[in-house]
Amino acid sequence: EAGVVQSPRYKIIEKKQPVAFWCNPISGHNTLYWYLQNLGQGPELLIRYENEEAVDDSQLPKDRFSAERLKGVDSTLKIQPAELGDSAVYLCASSRGAAMDWNTGELFFGEGSRLTVL
Amino acid sequence: GNSVTQMEGPVTLSEEAFLTINCTYTATGYPSLFWYVQYPGEGLQLLLKATKADDKGSNKGFEATYRKETTSFHLEKGSVQVSDSAVYFCALRGYSTLTFGKGTMLLVSP
Repeated sequence: EAGVVQSPRYKIIEKKQPVAFWCNPISGHNTLYWYLQNLGQGPELLIRYENEEAVDDSQLPKDRFSAERLKGVDSTLKIQPAELGDSAVYLCASSRGAAMDWNTGELFFGEGSRLTVL
Repeated sequence: GNSVTQMEGPVTLSEEAFLTINCTYTATGYPSLFWYVQYPGEGLQLLLKATKADDKGSNKGFEATYRKETTSFHLEKGSVQVSDSAVYFCALRGYSTLTFGKGTMLLVSP
C-alpha cells in the first residue's frame, strides 16, 4: 500500500513569492491534515478535511494561506505571498475518517515539504 | 484545550542504557495517546499507542502506559541501540486531531 505522498520535498523561494504544496493521501482515507513543523518543534495543525470539507481551519492564517481538497482526494496548500517566517516543514497526513476511528486511529504522515524563504 | 508536555532534549545515552522520556498531557474527555518517532531524514511514523486508561502500548522494545491518574504516558526502553537515535514525539488524539509535544531528541552512542 502506497503511503502519503507529498511534493515537492524541498522548495527555496524568495520572500513575497507564491508557493504550493501537493499531497496525495492513502487510498480510501477520508480525513486529510496539513501540519506545520517549525525547527525544533512539534507539528501544529493548520487544517483538517473530512472528504472535501474543511472542518477545522481555525489555525490557518487565511490572509496568506489557502488550501483545497477537490473531489475529496488530493490536496494543495498554497502560500501567497511567502514571508521569511514561513520557512518550515509542511506535513500532510491522512487517516481513515472520523466516523470510523475519530480518536483512536493512527495518522499516517508523508515525508514533508521543506520550505526555505530567502 | 488539549496540550502535551514532554521533557526537553537532547537525551544522550550509551548503547544498552535504560531510556525514559517523560510525557504529560492536559485534555478534555478521553483522548488516545501516541508516541511517534522521526528518524533523520524521514517522516513521522507511529511507534506505539494506547486508547484508554491503564492500556500499555509496546513496539520494538519500547513501552508506554496510559496513566489517567497522573495524566502521563512516559516512554521507556530497557536497552537502547544506536539505531534508536531519533526525535520522539508524544501526542494525544481528541476530536479527530493529533496534538503533539515539542519532541525529544535521543542520541545513542556506541
